[in-house]
Amino acid sequence: DVKVTQSSRYLVKRTGEKVFLECVQDMDHENMFWYRQDPGLGLRLIYFSYDVKMKEKGDIPEGYSVSREKKERFSLILESASTNQTSMYLCASSWQGGSYEQYFGPGTRLTVT
Amino acid sequence: RKEVEQDPGPFNVPEGATVAFNCTYSNSASQSFFWYRQDCRKEPKLLMSVYSSGNEDGRFTAQLNRASQYISLLIRDSKLSDSATYLCVVKAGANNLFFGTGTRLTVIP
Repeated sequence: DVKVTQSSRYLVKRTGEKVFLECVQDMDHENMFWYRQDPGLGLRLIYFSYDVKMKEKGDIPEGYSVSREKKERFSLILESASTNQTSMYLCASSWQGGSYEQYFGPGTRLTVT
Repeated sequence: RKEVEQDPGPFNVPEGATVAFNCTYSNSASQSFFWYRQDCRKEPKLLMSVYSSGNEDGRFTAQLNRASQYISLLIRDSKLSDSATYLCVVKAGANNLFFGTGTRLTVIP
C-alpha cells in the first residue's frame, strides 16, 4: 500500500515564525506536490518537484519555498508565516508521466495566529 | 476563469437514489480526467479515471464530452457510505492536476 505521511496533523504558529512542513512517501515516486485547500477554493498547487533537487512553481508559490534533498522527502517552508497562510496543507506523490494517480498524505491543519 | 468548475452542492439524496454531478473544464488541450473522493477531514483519494469512451465501475459511471468540455459522474443506488465530496480533476500539461472545488453529497437514510 502506498503511504504518504506528513509530519504533523495540527500545527499552531505565530505570525512571522518560520514553519517547516515535512512529507515522506514510501513508493519511490518521482513526483511530489504541495497543495493548500481552503473552503470554496478547492486544492491549489503551491509547488511540485519531479526529481531530487528539482522544483517548479505551482499556482500560488508566493510566501512559500520547498526543498527536495532526497527522493522520498519533500519539505514546504513558510519563511515568515502570515495569518492568510492558515489553511489545510496536503502533500501528494505520484509516478511520472501518463495518466496517473496522486496519492495524498493526511494533511496538516496549520493555524497562524 | 477557473480551470475546472463544479456545482458545490450540497446534494442531499435518499438512499437508493441516482445522482449525477457535472464538471466543466476550460482548457481544450486537457489530456486526462479523474474523479476523486474526499471524506470529511480526510485526504482526497482517486475514485476513477474518466475515459473518452466512458467507463463504469459498479454503481459509478463516468462520462467525458470533449466537444462541450464537461465530465460527469453518475452514482446509482446511492448508499449512506457514498456521502462525501467529489472532486473533478483535469490534467493539463506534463505533471499538473487541476482540481475543482468539489461537490458535496449527503445520502439520507
